[in-house]
Amino acid sequence: AIQLTQSPSSLSASVGDRVAITCRASQGISSTVAWYQQKPGKPPRLLIYDASTLERGVPSRFSGSASGRDFTLIISSLQPEDFATYYCQHFNDFPLVFSFGPGTKVDFK
Amino acid sequence: EVQLVESGGTLVQPGGSLRLSCAASEFTFSSYSMTWVRQAPGKGLESVSFINSRSNTIYYADSVKGRFTVSRDNSKNSLFLQMNSLRAEDTGVYYCARAFSGALHGIYYPDYWGQGTLVTVSS
Repeated sequence: AIQLTQSPSSLSASVGDRVAITCRASQGISSTVAWYQQKPGKPPRLLIYDASTLERGVPSRFSGSASGRDFTLIISSLQPEDFATYYCQHFNDFPLVFSFGPGTKVDFK
Repeated sequence: EVQLVESGGTLVQPGGSLRLSCAASEFTFSSYSMTWVRQAPGKGLESVSFINSRSNTIYYADSVKGRFTVSRDNSKNSLFLQMNSLRAEDTGVYYCARAFSGALHGIYYPDYWGQGTLVTVSS
């Protein structure tokens, strides 16, 4: 089964910083990756899908990219409401596989 | 606004059974695939099950295969998860989510999520 790893597992940053989170797949998976933001006690929120498509209503400071087996979520200028945990997710239609990365926690420096 | 409301979570003993429900509204439920995702306390997200709109494509995580059964009733806009032979490691918040397909045909991502229902497996 395809495994997703995320790096870093946590990071400390300040408001205004540029933040990059990487998700690496154990094998090639084309662009079938999404990114989610989750705050404590809340359900996840979809940010990016198909590796780089911004979900409606998500601020443009969020962006996604893909290069080989690596997928990257970029927050161009971190805002106070962005401190949260971020997960990547992959869906493969055959064989049917549906998996999440382990998460990256972004907190205050 | 899309609404998903889970119910049925409670404290249950190991080996017991539980049926979770998810009531959907404000979208055409019968047109969408649906998924259950769980989160153990303080842990990450784990996909539990996926069911397409016509119930002819179903996925289970290896950790629940043979014990959990997903189903849906499109006439009642409802999704279900029957959980049998429950174990302590099944403890967590169970989320129901709508799965939509982006530009890549047949690839699904959860876009709208319910608030979750807590399942606790303990003696």
